[in-house]
Amino acid sequence: DAEITQSPRHKITETGRQVTLACHQTWNHNNMFWYRQDLGHGLRLIHYSYGVQDTNKGEVSDGYSVSRSNTEDLPLTLESAASSQTSVYFCASSEPMKADTQYFGPGTRLTVL
Amino acid sequence: GQSLEQPSEVTAVEGAIVQINCTYQTSGFYGLSWYQQHDGGAPTFLSYNALDGLEETGRFSSFLSRSDSYGYLLLQELQMKDSASYFCACTGTDKLIFGTGTRLQVFP
Repeated sequence: DAEITQSPRHKITETGRQVTLACHQTWNHNNMFWYRQDLGHGLRLIHYSYGVQDTNKGEVSDGYSVSRSNTEDLPLTLESAASSQTSVYFCASSEPMKADTQYFGPGTRLTVL
Repeated sequence: GQSLEQPSEVTAVEGAIVQINCTYQTSGFYGLSWYQQHDGGAPTFLSYNALDGLEETGRFSSFLSRSDSYGYLLLQELQMKDSASYFCACTGTDKLIFGTGTRLQVFP
């Protein structure tokens, strides 16, 4: 069965370190998205990609970057982790022009000390 | 900019009907989606309305009025397992903007 996975599921890091969160999907979807979820803010879009070599900034992109070298993976990098980036991070994917129906990964809980 | 408003919390008893409202302000609006998220879990897709009117999927229905920038999710015959957070989301230019979510608590 097709799926979308994230790793690690839990991560503790220190302020200033670079952190990369992995996202891998076997749906063969062109569209991939990264969200962060914090109490009181719902899901906020960080970055998204509509295909290989395509990346776009979302509403809360400062301090984050992504790269898309193949269809299956969209890793999210925190260049220099800050305590404000402590959050739960979700990756999602969808078919082109079907962003209404997104399939979410299980999430990564990141703590920045 | 884009914004969506929904109540922060709703409570109901098993077997009852509950309606979760969502109002939105957005440009480039294509439709309204609804997602369910249980505590500790990932959001899962429930429904999508591109056109005005009611869409029914089993015990869940979703409604959209484009002229009023308003939609709602209707949950019937509530079960304990329906206790979760529910998010409305606007679809625009092949991405979603989510509301802050409504926490539904179902009591026996």
